Amino acid sequence: NAGVTQTPKFQVLKTGQSMTLQCAQDMNHNSMYWYRQDPGMGLRLIYYSASEGTTDKGEVPNGYNVSRLNKREFSLRLESAAPSQTSVYFCASSEDRTAAGELFFGEGSRLTVL
Amino acid sequence: KNEVEQSPQNLTAQEGEFITINCSYSVGISALHWLQQHPGGGIVSLFMLSSGKKKHGRLIATINIQEKHSSLHITASHPRDSAVYICAVPNFGNEKLTFGTGTRLTIIP
Repeated sequence: NAGVTQTPKFQVLKTGQSMTLQCAQDMNHNSMYWYRQDPGMGLRLIYYSASEGTTDKGEVPNGYNVSRLNKREFSLRLESAAPSQTSVYFCASSEDRTAAGELFFGEGSRLTVL
Repeated sequence: KNEVEQSPQNLTAQEGEFITINCSYSVGISALHWLQQHPGGGIVSLFMLSSGKKKHGRLIATINIQEKHSSLHITASHPRDSAVYICAVPNFGNEKLTFGTGTRLTIIP
């Protein structure tokens, strides 16, 4: 049982390049989330998807787009990367649509934008 | 948005000591999460609680809804407990989580 799998684990981009972070969960969860983690700050929600076919902005959505391809997969795209997007990105899933559901996290993706 | 404060930010203790990490929040909540982030970066959920106390092995989480405060205790601490411990609470109205900045715990053998 793999849980939440996200790729790639590491990526270096130049300013202006684009890339997609992939996330897949095998727990049949309804809700999926993308967070970023920066030094000295708590995890911040970028986008979330409460169910297949729906996505909503979180706290810091600017510069990102997402796709909930199916119930398993939720991808995060940076169309034109900026140094401010250097961060560690975590995908998470939950069976519950509310904040009372247990969260399962991927291993994280460390992105550096030069 | 719910405000979350954790204390201490950093904690170093000797193996075997009893550890307490605190979390305070500003708005009444439905449930509070405690998470553990390993030195390698992975995050796992430890507890989710809405009242009283929960215990899992050497870890105990308590919450006082009236005082808007939760504590995470570790008994007989061990070097493998070294990690960052994060609490998270829902925002009022949208049920999305606000995360604390974490407590970095180091247990010295």
